[in-house]
Amino acid sequence: EIVMTQSPATLSVSPGERATLSCRASQSVSSNLAWYQQIPGQAPRLLIYGASTRATGIPARFSGSGSGTEFTLTISSLQSEDFAVYYCQQYNNWPLTFGGGTKVEIK
Amino acid sequence: EVQLLESGGGLVQPGGSLRLSCAASGFTSSSYDMSWVRRAPGKGLEWVSAISSSGAATYYADSVKGRFTISRDNSKNTLYLQMNSLRAEDTAVYYCAKRAPSFDLWGRGTLVTVSS
Repeated sequence: EIVMTQSPATLSVSPGERATLSCRASQSVSSNLAWYQQIPGQAPRLLIYGASTRATGIPARFSGSGSGTEFTLTISSLQSEDFAVYYCQQYNNWPLTFGGGTKVEIK
Repeated sequence: EVQLLESGGGLVQPGGSLRLSCAASGFTSSSYDMSWVRRAPGKGLEWVSAISSSGAATYYADSVKGRFTISRDNSKNTLYLQMNSLRAEDTAVYYCAKRAPSFDLWGRGTLVTVSS
């Protein structure tokens, strides 16, 4: 099983600042990596797939990078609606696995 | 409107069974692989099971293998999850998700609580 490790567990950021979230895979997943946002009480929402492609309707302030085992999600200027939990997920191998999540909170 | 709607959650005793359903609308669900993903209280997302578009191939997380069965009825645009021998650690919100191959459409979830 591929283990996905996200860091940090919690990120405190002020509105308007940049946030950088990391995700590491225990073995290569090529570019088969997605990022999701989950706001409490809501379903997860796909942000990024293929490591760097924004999903439909996702604002340009969200960007993804990386390949192999190291990935990054960057939110260039945090808006109030961006405070949430973010998960990475690999879909290169079965079983599909998620990282433990990074909570982005208001500083 | 393109959406997924789960149903069938509830309170069940340890060792009991429950069947979840997920109705798809606004798109041809038979063209896509589908999955169940859960989130336990205070925990992160956990992939549970997946099924190919035709239903011929199924996949399970080790934590549910032998206890849960995923199936689909493409004539009804509906996905199912039969859950047997339920344990307290199966308590979670269960989401169905369309796989393409990342999960680009999610339902709102249905809560399953396993408790005596």
